[in-house]
Amino acid sequence: DAKTTQPPSMDCAEGRAANLPCNHSTISGNEYVYWYRQIHSQGPQYIIHGLKNNETNEMASLIITEDRKSSTLILPHATLRDTAVYYCIVRVAVTSYDKVIFGPGTSLSVIP
Amino acid sequence: EAEVAQSPRYKITEKSQAVAFWCDPISGHATLYWYRQILGQGPELLVQFQDESVVDDSQLPKDRFSAERLKGVDSTLKIQPAELGDSAMYLCASGKSETQYFGPGTRLLVL
Repeated sequence: DAKTTQPPSMDCAEGRAANLPCNHSTISGNEYVYWYRQIHSQGPQYIIHGLKNNETNEMASLIITEDRKSSTLILPHATLRDTAVYYCIVRVAVTSYDKVIFGPGTSLSVIP
Repeated sequence: EAEVAQSPRYKITEKSQAVAFWCDPISGHATLYWYRQILGQGPELLVQFQDESVVDDSQLPKDRFSAERLKGVDSTLKIQPAELGDSAMYLCASGKSETQYFGPGTRLLVL
């Protein structure tokens, strides 16, 4: 079973912020939170990751709660191209041998 | 920007035939993964390599699937014989340190 839970779908108006939640209540101290997205018929695309501090890059911001049991991915100004399935996963660094488990993700629809 | 390459992008085969998929990871990435993604579901890890060694193949159906990464660079995933239920997207990813990068995938249809 995936270590995370996400809502199955969300809608967001174009130009508004999209806030995608993720629960990971059993996260361990050395596990990172990763976000990927998958546009239809393409491979997943890395978005951002974090351990305990909030992170921001050119694509998105990641807000992790102080207890690390949940996080939110923020797309500040959603566009139609952001319509995709968004996956939240938790894992130790990629060079470790723990299993990477993807859940079903959140299907985000950006509406004109 | 370097990318993970996969071929073919699409493959149609008949059941009981053999199929093979190829993956060329980003240069310098020691870790390589093969995933299977059934329509409407998240990717499922089949096998993970660290250099040329398999470190996790617990979800690989070993009676019909095999994977190799002989020189620790590119990799091949084979299915023999293919079954109808193998129709899916097969994704390759590579990574080092903290991040995985995925290729475009090979979409397999078994008739």
